[in-house]
Amino acid sequence: DAGVTQSPTHLIKTRGQQVTLRCSPKSGHDTVSWYQQALGQGPQFIFQYYEEEERQRGNFPDRFSGHQFPNYSSELNVNALLLGDSALYLCASSLVARGQETQYFGPGTRLLVL
Amino acid sequence: GDSVTQMEGPVTLSEEAFLTINCTYTATGYPSLFWYVQYPGEGLQLLLKATKADDKGSNKGFEATYRKETTSFHLEKGSVQVSDSAVYFCALRDQAGTALIFGKGTTLSVSS
Repeated sequence: DAGVTQSPTHLIKTRGQQVTLRCSPKSGHDTVSWYQQALGQGPQFIFQYYEEEERQRGNFPDRFSGHQFPNYSSELNVNALLLGDSALYLCASSLVARGQETQYFGPGTRLLVL
Repeated sequence: GDSVTQMEGPVTLSEEAFLTINCTYTATGYPSLFWYVQYPGEGLQLLLKATKADDKGSNKGFEATYRKETTSFHLEKGSVQVSDSAVYFCALRDQAGTALIFGKGTTLSVSS
């Protein structure tokens, strides 16, 4: 049973650039959540996608946007990168449709903004 | 708003010692509570969970009991191993039932 997968594993960008991170949910899951984990901190909720729509959003600026595809996979886009966007970006999947909302995390994408 | 507070680390123990990592929460109602573990260079793994008051979650020798009276969900293990060295995060699911709210994490280091 494939778990949550994310790509790429590492990424280096410069300030002002744009980045797209990708996530494939655990088999059978229909919902994807994105979190940002700064060094030495707990993950912070960015947003959650369900049925191809943003279901809930955390306290992140509009530079952070996302998308969910019909196969439930998801992308996180960050525009106009800032140095402070350097972090581990975690994707988590769950099965909302059947009330099983325990979230399972992928290995993350480590983004470094120079 | 909802929040989670967990004890600051690092926690340094010898193998076979008893472990407690304290976690308290502030939330409206009775949120589901979780412990996640993060090994170096990896994502988060669900360790255990509890969905209602007095529930005890357990896995791999770790236990935590949902205490409504003290709004706590302390993690315990009777005998730690070197392989338990990791960062442990306490979390709750928010009022909307969507987002996880995490504590800052507690680093555990176990030596042989």
